[in-house]
Amino acid sequence: DAKTTQPNSMESNEEEPVHLPCNHSTISGTDYIHWYRQLPSQGPEYVIHGLTSNVNNRMASLAIAEDRKSSTLILHRATLRDAAVYYCIGNNAGNMLTFGGGTRLMVKP
Amino acid sequence: DADVTQTPRNRITKTGKRIMLECSQTKGHDRMYWYRQDPGLGLQLIYYSFDVKDINKGEISDGYSVSRQAQAKFSLSLESAIPNQTALYFCATSGAGGGYNEQFFGPGTRLTVL
Repeated sequence: DAKTTQPNSMESNEEEPVHLPCNHSTISGTDYIHWYRQLPSQGPEYVIHGLTSNVNNRMASLAIAEDRKSSTLILHRATLRDAAVYYCIGNNAGNMLTFGGGTRLMVKP
Repeated sequence: DADVTQTPRNRITKTGKRIMLECSQTKGHDRMYWYRQDPGLGLQLIYYSFDVKDINKGEISDGYSVSRQAQAKFSLSLESAIPNQTALYFCATSGAGGGYNEQFFGPGTRLTVL
């Protein structure tokens, strides 16, 4: 399993960009890097994923280091609704997700 | 309508009782999963099924069993509930493997075992 390391918590101001880091030094060459977030009292929801190249979607951007040992989830303008626990996960060919503790993002108005 | 539904949403039961949690999905996915989440922690995989005839144990399967009644339905049973099984339970689905398919989660079932 690809183990990931994330800070326990981060704080941001509303409408400012947020960069959430993740280390995954043991990731294999074929593991995709997935990000999910879990809003209070809800199930996790998919945010974004990538393999080698940086990725953008309507929710966020994902910047993947050239050596793939780390990645950063970028929320371009944090809103109060982005306050959640963000999980960085290495997803292998079996599509098995191993959740760590994630990063709790707090957004201040 | 939600793509992944779970019933019940909340359940309180007593030690020793048998309980079943149900999951249904309308996404047409072959793969389904059951996770458990303890307070303040990430999710742990209990069981997963890649199709109706394929069921596999996850990290923490002891004390649990599952049934895949159809492509759309995957049930989790606690044969004899105990208090440390008090947790949030999530069902999820995904398309075929390959590492690039995301999982879609249900709203969760909050189970309390007294």
